[in-house]
Order: sequence, then C-alpha cells, then structure tokens
Amino acid sequence: DTGVSQNPRHKITKRGQNVTFRCDPISEHNRLYWYRQTLGQGPEFLTYFQNEAQLEKSRLLSDRFSAERPKGSFSTLEIQRTEQGDSAMYLCASSLESMSTEAFFGQGTRLTVV
Amino acid sequence: KQEVTQIPAALSVPEGENLVLNCSFTDSAIYNLQWFRQDPGKGLTSLLLIQSSQREQTSGRLNASLDKSSGRSTLYIAASQPGDSATYLCAVRADDYKLSFGAGTTVTVRA
Repeated sequence: DTGVSQNPRHKITKRGQNVTFRCDPISEHNRLYWYRQTLGQGPEFLTYFQNEAQLEKSRLLSDRFSAERPKGSFSTLEIQRTEQGDSAMYLCASSLESMSTEAFFGQGTRLTVV
Repeated sequence: KQEVTQIPAALSVPEGENLVLNCSFTDSAIYNLQWFRQDPGKGLTSLLLIQSSQREQTSGRLNASLDKSSGRSTLYIAASQPGDSATYLCAVRADDYKLSFGAGTTVTVRA
C-alpha cells in the first residue's frame, strides 16, 4: 500500500504564474478529493471526482482553478494567474465509493505565492 | 451548513497525562466521524473512523466516542508521550462524499 502521493511537496511561484499539482490516489479507490488548508484552519473542500467524473465543485474553486482526472487514475489541480491569497496547503484524499468509507490523505503540496 | 468546532484550540500537558480532545458538530445527520493527526507542514494521518451507528472506537492508546444526537465526539489519548505532540483534527461526513473539518486542537506533550 503506497498511500496517496502528491507532487510536488513544495512550490514557490511568482504572482501571476500558473502552477499544476499532481495527486496519485490509492490504486483501488475510485473517489478522489481536493481540499485546501490555510494556516491554523481545518481543510476546506474544493472538489471531488468519482472515477473520471468531476461531480462537485466548491464555491472556493474560482474560474482560475481547474481539476482533471483523466481515465479515473491520477488527478491534477491547476491554478492559473496565481494570487497571494492562493498560498495554502493543497491536500488530496481518496476513498472507496461508500458513505461509510474512510478517507486517506496525501502529504499535501505547500504553495507559496510571492 | 455543517459547522465543526474543536475545543480547546491548544493543550499542553506533561508526559504521562491522559489527553481529552473535544469535537462538536451542528447537524447530527452524519454518516461517520473521522479523527486525524497532522504534524507541522505535513498531511493528515487517519487515526480512527466512527460510523454513525457506533458509540466508540478504539485503537491502541486511542479511544474515540460519538454521541450523534448531541453532536459531540471525544478523543481520549491515554498515557501521553512527547511523540503525541501534533494537531488533531476531527471531520464529519454529512454528505455522501464531503468531509467538514474543525480547526483542530494543537497538543504539546512536555517531557
């Protein structure tokens, strides 16, 4: 069991640049989630996929954010024209398709926009 | 909208003391509740998952209780160790897929 893997672990970018993060879920998990966490707060839901279908997007996910999960495997989260307010920890999680299932999180990608 | 509150926000205890962390939620219609541990700058590690039909769940020195009707859960950590120092987060699943998190309790265990 390799767990949920996220890359990169850290990203520093200049304001206005585009960034892309990758998440590799646990292989048999068909659900994949993205959350964002700012300092001192709990994670906030951004979006989730069931297989390759993106089924829900939070209002936190502005038009500058886009997420994909081609072929229902890994997922990417892209932020275009980054702003300083985008600085946060971006967490990916995966689970089986069941309301009673446990969610497993990756190590996160720490984004700093300067 | 589900609101999750964790009290206290921070806790400092000497090694060996038992820890009691509280979590409350506003909507009792949940599927389950999950406790996580987070070390500084790291991701979340799942500690315990309690289904809505369960009253408690145990793993080693950890015990979590759930009172769904009153919207409360408590995480007990017995005989704390310096390695238990971390932030502990509770999360409830009220939708089929989304977790709602509290802000966490930051624990420091003094050697």
